[in-house]
Amino acid sequence: AQKVTQAQTEISVVEKEDVTLDCVYETRDTTYYLFWYKQPPSGELVFLIRRNSFDEQNEISGRYSWNFQKSTSSFNFTITASQVVDSAVYFCALEGGATNKLIFGTGTLLAVQP
Amino acid sequence: DAEITQSPRHKITETGRQVTLACHQTWNHNNMFWYRQDLGHGLRLIHYSYGVQDTNKGEVSDGYSVSRSNTEDLPLTLESAASSQTSVYFCASRGSGSTDTQYFGPGTRLTVL
Repeated sequence: AQKVTQAQTEISVVEKEDVTLDCVYETRDTTYYLFWYKQPPSGELVFLIRRNSFDEQNEISGRYSWNFQKSTSSFNFTITASQVVDSAVYFCALEGGATNKLIFGTGTLLAVQP
Repeated sequence: DAEITQSPRHKITETGRQVTLACHQTWNHNNMFWYRQDLGHGLRLIHYSYGVQDTNKGEVSDGYSVSRSNTEDLPLTLESAASSQTSVYFCASRGSGSTDTQYFGPGTRLTVL
């Protein structure tokens, strides 16, 4: 069975702090894809990153970085120097094999206080 | 620009009524999906389609149906709305390539009284 766990329900930080959102996944597929989506207070779902199971290189995009570790089945997301605009719900998701279906975690609500 | 739209954006209905939520995409994607979002559950898959005339049940399909008569549209029907179906509904579409990604519509907030 496939499963995504985001154990952190809510995180509150003060602006400029670094924050890491955890994501642990379970799958028996050898080929799979991991995603992060952002849902700001306006409600839309914004795609942030896609990573395939054969690429464990960390990725950095501006203040955002992602750490993929197959050994621990984790795909963690770090925001450096957080800003109020980063306040949102963040979802980690897994797509296994050739199904094209996404399995979502329950999301982490990040509140960045000024 | 290509996009994915949902209508209505907000809907209030009564228990027992039939409700249809529309989803339209202009990317010419074969794959389309419906999810519901509830607090504590994240997004859960209701139904999905890999192409015209193809429909499949997802994790929480009871009480819902879909039909796919063309590439652009995947309407979601609640046969007899129940209060437990009060939720936010998201439609998504995806190309068929291995490197493609699901893109989501703006969502429909449905309240069943």
